[in-house]
Amino acid sequence: GNSVTQMEGPVTLSEEAFLTINCTYTATGYPSLFWYVQYPGEGLQLLLKATKADDKGSNKGFEATYRKETTSFHLEKGSVQVSDSAVYFCALSKGGYGQNFVFGPGTRLSVLP
Amino acid sequence: GAGVSQSPRYKVAKRGQDVALRCDPISGHVSLFWYQQALGQGPEFLTYFQNEAQLDKSGLPSDRFFAERPEGSVSTLKIQRTQQEDSAVYLCASSPWGLRRGRDGNTIYFGEGSWLTVV
Repeated sequence: GNSVTQMEGPVTLSEEAFLTINCTYTATGYPSLFWYVQYPGEGLQLLLKATKADDKGSNKGFEATYRKETTSFHLEKGSVQVSDSAVYFCALSKGGYGQNFVFGPGTRLSVLP
Repeated sequence: GAGVSQSPRYKVAKRGQDVALRCDPISGHVSLFWYQQALGQGPEFLTYFQNEAQLDKSGLPSDRFFAERPEGSVSTLKIQRTQQEDSAVYLCASSPWGLRRGRDGNTIYFGEGSWLTVV
């Protein structure tokens, strides 16, 4: 079945450090890939997405590239801020509905001033 | 409304009590999802509606859980005879697309969640 694996957290970084959160997936065909972010006490917000191989999603300084050959969608940011502290979820969608939208377990990021 | 709205935001229920959680999706969105998120975990799928039709309820953990969307807009998730293991955040999400793959890759948009604590 479809699944998403993320690096385990928590990840603790100093402000302005470089961030990478690894995400790999298992799915047949060509899923769309997403990163969602959840700030404390809030729901999930879409951070970025990519709908086909080699696409790069970007938003708020975060980037992720859809790599079909390695089935990966790693999240990167060149210089993190304290306000980036949150839980980050990688997800895939095969279209359709219901169970076809699958989330990873989340990676908690803490950025220290 | 501009976003997905859920109520109540916080609910404390005594074990055995029935609860009802409401979701008001983005206007015009065809698809509506309910997810359960336990503390420190990712969202787990509960059920899916396309308009008023409940097309997938395979994620509902027991027959104490029931969801409806009678007019194809607002949805209610009902939990009967709540148990402590039901304590979680219940997330509602909506999407403008139905079964076919949308141009935006079937992005789904989440509400802020209803935080249920069963004591």
